[in-house]
Amino acid sequence: GENVEQHPSTLSVQEGDSAVIKCTYSDSASNYFPWYKQELGKGPQLIIDIRSNVGEKKDQRIAVTLNKTAKHFSLHITETQPEDSAVYFCAATPNDYKLSFGAGTTVTVRA
Amino acid sequence: DAGVIQSPRHEVTEMGQEVTLRCKPISGHDYLFWYRQTMMRGLELLIYFNNNVPIDDSGMPEDRFSAKMPNASFSTLKIQPSEPRDSAVYFCASSPPRGGGYNEQFFGPGTRLTVL
Repeated sequence: GENVEQHPSTLSVQEGDSAVIKCTYSDSASNYFPWYKQELGKGPQLIIDIRSNVGEKKDQRIAVTLNKTAKHFSLHITETQPEDSAVYFCAATPNDYKLSFGAGTTVTVRA
Repeated sequence: DAGVIQSPRHEVTEMGQEVTLRCKPISGHDYLFWYRQTMMRGLELLIYFNNNVPIDDSGMPEDRFSAKMPNASFSTLKIQPSEPRDSAVYFCASSPPRGGGYNEQFFGPGTRLTVL
């Protein structure tokens, strides 16, 4: 099955700086890569996703890049704000349904 | 819509007892997923349903776990008998019918299970 590795496990950034989280996957058939944000005591929430036919996607301060050849994808958050503090998970799947999640990155934005 | 609803939010039980977790998906969604989250193993998919039919239960850890979806608005995850290693947060998620490449899974708030 699919195996997703995520780095770093923790990330502390100064407010206004950028944050980058990187993931690699093992199954070359994977074609859908969502990113979820989980706040304390809540369920994960989708923040952005990308399909294998696209190399980059941007939504305001959040962007995701995908390198299918190298089998890695990254989340970029620019101009970080305190409300960006949360746990972020990457995921991958070859069939749109069965998501395999990375271990998560705890992001702390320092004021 | 109120989103995915899970009950109870917290459950404390003793080893050997039966535990039933409940989920109400978002109306109109035809996919339902059960996940388990622990510090050691992260977020794992246990089982998912489409149109009330179990599609993939390969993530169910063992026979002590069972899941049902008797209708489009209700699902249960049962653990019998429960063990301390089952302690985790269990999430239910639902997703709308596929079309146009729309894939978002909407997660509920989770049930925190503690087995003593």
